[in-house]
Amino acid sequence: DIQMTQSPSTLSASVGDRVTITCRASQSISSWLAWYQQKPGKAPKLLIYKASSLESGVPSRFSGSGSGTEFTLTISSLQPDDFATYYCQQYKSYPLTFGGGTKAEIK
Amino acid sequence: EVQVEESGGGLVQPGGSLRLSCAASGFTFSDHYMDWVRQAPGKGLEWVGRTRNKANSYTTEYAASVKGRFTISRDDSKNSLYLQMDSLKTEDTAVYYCARVSVVLPAATDYWGQGTLVTVSS
Repeated sequence: DIQMTQSPSTLSASVGDRVTITCRASQSISSWLAWYQQKPGKAPKLLIYKASSLESGVPSRFSGSGSGTEFTLTISSLQPDDFATYYCQQYKSYPLTFGGGTKAEIK
Repeated sequence: EVQVEESGGGLVQPGGSLRLSCAASGFTFSDHYMDWVRQAPGKGLEWVGRTRNKANSYTTEYAASVKGRFTISRDDSKNSLYLQMDSLKTEDTAVYYCARVSVVLPAATDYWGQGTLVTVSS
């Protein structure tokens, strides 16, 4: 199975900050990586697919990069609505696997 | 508008069975693969399994933690997805999400339902 490791597990930031979350795969997944945002009590929402493609309707302050085993999700200017938990997921091979999550908290 | 809505969750004893349903609308259900994903209370996301579409013979994939106990099926005539859960364990307690897989493969899951809670407890 491909293991997905996210860091940090928690981040504290202020509105307007630039934030970066890292996701590492235990083996190469090419660009078959997605990023999701989840708010408490809600379903996950797709933000980024194929490592760097922005899902329709997602604000342009979100961006993704990387390939192979190392990936990043960047929020260029953190907004109040962005305080949530973020997950990466590889969909190169079965079983599909998620990272452990990164919770973005208000500083 | 794309919508998926889960139902069928509840309280069940260890060793028992439960069948979850997912009703889809707003898209051509038969074209899409569909996933089940779960989230234990206070924990992260865990992929449960996937069913492919008719063009790919409705074949399925499962996580090792549920293989042999859970069965995913679908009825394209009813735009519905199912998760039959047998031999349930306390560690299966979670919110179960139904999610659509985007049509261009390999693909991420692009629409999720709000989830249904399954509690396995005596």
